[in-house]
Amino acid sequence: GAVVSQHPSWVICKSGTSVKIECRSLDFQATTMFWYRQFPKQSLMLMATSNEGSKATYEQGVEKDKFLINHASLTLSTLTVTSAHPEDSSFYICSAPDRANEKLFFGSGTQLSVL
Amino acid sequence: QQPVQSPQAVILREGEDAVINCSSSKALYSVHWYRQKHGEAPVFLMILLKGGEQKGHDKISASFNEKKQQSSLYLTASQLSYSGTYFCGTATGTASKLTFGTGTRLQVTL
Repeated sequence: GAVVSQHPSWVICKSGTSVKIECRSLDFQATTMFWYRQFPKQSLMLMATSNEGSKATYEQGVEKDKFLINHASLTLSTLTVTSAHPEDSSFYICSAPDRANEKLFFGSGTQLSVL
Repeated sequence: QQPVQSPQAVILREGEDAVINCSSSKALYSVHWYRQKHGEAPVFLMILLKGGEQKGHDKISASFNEKKQQSSLYLTASQLSYSGTYFCGTATGTASKLTFGTGTRLQVTL
């Protein structure tokens, strides 16, 4: 099946710094990718939809200036958490739909800890 | 609004059956089921499109009642490997923009 690669798997950073998370579709092209955030023992909450060649679409309540999304190619989307704070600590997961635009393939996730 | 799953948690002995329900307040195009183990990404189980179908493979099957905007996941003769948190993901159209349910933690013991 299709593979989505996400890096890094975990990152620890100081408060106020920025962190970039990469999501790559390895064997297929993804014009759309989705970014989710998951707090411990909670569900996955959609943050934004990343669109290749255009601006990302953010869900209500998600600060677009804080969570910068860039989808520069058909195989790469990046999420940058700017000026990270401890409350941004979470599990971030990207996903991409298959060619039929139905099933989602998930990356392995990134555990972000902000000190 | 997030789909509501029930039960929130269930403990089974190996070999027992379980049913996990997912209920949405919106008209649905499709329902997806995923299983997630701690610290890992969700793993796709199956997708059901509107039409009231039932699907399954091996000992895991699911049904989708679009009129009631509900789906159920059936686990039969559970195995230890079934342990994890199950999420339904609902879509109101194509393009895979899923809204995930509240989750059901399932633990299978010996």
